[in-house]
Amino acid sequence: EIVLTQSPDTLSLSPGERATLSCRASQSISSTYLAWYQQKPGQAPRLLIYGASSRATGIPDRFSGSGSGTDFTLTINRLEPEDFAVYYCQQFRVSPPITFGQGTRLEIK
Amino acid sequence: QVQLVESGGGLVKPGGSLRLSCAASGFTFRDYYMTWIRQAPGKGLEWISYISDSGRATYYADSVKGRFTISRDNAKNSLYLQMDSLRAEDTAIYYCARDRSSTNCYEFDPWGQGTLVTVSS
Repeated sequence: EIVLTQSPDTLSLSPGERATLSCRASQSISSTYLAWYQQKPGQAPRLLIYGASSRATGIPDRFSGSGSGTDFTLTINRLEPEDFAVYYCQQFRVSPPITFGQGTRLEIK
Repeated sequence: QVQLVESGGGLVKPGGSLRLSCAASGFTFRDYYMTWIRQAPGKGLEWISYISDSGRATYYADSVKGRFTISRDNAKNSLYLQMDSLRAEDTAIYYCARDRSSTNCYEFDPWGQGTLVTVSS
């Protein structure tokens, strides 16, 4: 099973700043098999990024993904108030099981 | 628009059973793999099962294997999760989700709103 470790657990930033969230895999995975989700309180998760760097339908271009091998990054430029949420990475190179990271909480500073 | 609506959650005693349903609309249901994912209160996401478009292939997380059964009825545009031998640690919000594309990609978009299952005596 591939374990995904996200860092930091919590990130405190102000609107307008840039957020950089990390996801590290316990073994190498193709960028094809890495996705990112956003979850706001009381809501279901929403797909942001697939294939490590492709934005899902309707996702603003301030969200971007990058990385390969074992290290992946979600970057959010010019934070908007609605971006403060929990973010999860997910892999499916080795599946089952499909696995998620533990999440990074992005909070307003 | 594409919509997934779960139902069937509730309070059940340890050892009991529950059947969740997910009603799909706004897309050709029979063309997509479907998945169940759960989230314990205050915790992260846990994939538990997915099913192929035809229903012939199913996969489970070890935590539910042998206790949960995923199925679908393509004529009714519905996905199901039969949950037996429930344990306290199965308490969670259960989400159904669709593959992002019809090419079996294992990225989930969209998700339903979730249904809460509470296992307690």
